[in-house]
Amino acid sequence: GQNIDQPTEMTATEGAIVQINCTYQTSGFNGLFWYQQHAGEAPTFLSYNVLDGLEEKGRFSSFLSRSKGYSYLLLKELQMKDSASYLCAAQDSNYQLIWGAGTKLIIKP
Amino acid sequence: IAGITQAPTSQILAAGRRMTLRCTQDMRHNAMYWYRQDLGLGLRLIHYSNTAGTTGKGEVPDGYSVSRANTDDFPLTLASAVPSQTSVYFCASSVDGSYNEQFFGPGTRLTVL
Repeated sequence: GQNIDQPTEMTATEGAIVQINCTYQTSGFNGLFWYQQHAGEAPTFLSYNVLDGLEEKGRFSSFLSRSKGYSYLLLKELQMKDSASYLCAAQDSNYQLIWGAGTKLIIKP
Repeated sequence: IAGITQAPTSQILAAGRRMTLRCTQDMRHNAMYWYRQDLGLGLRLIHYSNTAGTTGKGEVPDGYSVSRANTDDFPLTLASAVPSQTSVYFCASSVDGSYNEQFFGPGTRLTVL
């Protein structure tokens, strides 16, 4: 079956760095997405990886290892506004997104 | 309008009633999607459409129907609502069905009593 695993909740301190991990099992693979979702709002796109390696975009970076079925989202210089849920989604052979349940990130001052 | 809009924002519905959730996008995206999001679960795909005139079933299609008469609109209908359909419903769109950076509407919070 198809499955995405990510931690339910993480806590970090303002100004610090946090890494949110995601493992996936899909029928075929056409890329890995990360989305951010603030409470009560819609998800918004953060990053897309289809090749192995690290993609950096400002304070956020995303890494992919296709052989390990593994990705992580790295958030640097954490700000209070980064408190949100982070959703990992893998695109399968039919180009459908398989979504994880999300990681709720709590930032403490 | 800019992006994707959904209506209504929220709704309380009696079980057995028919309900249509509306979704409109102005980005001329070919692909559109309906998801439900429940606490502790990931987004689950209900139905999708890769282009106007075509629709497909997602992971949890039972009890829901969709139509795609034109590029902009993608309504979701609950023919006879049941309490298990209480959820937050998100409509999304992407340029096409092969690269899935999806843009989401603000969601509809539906409660079925």
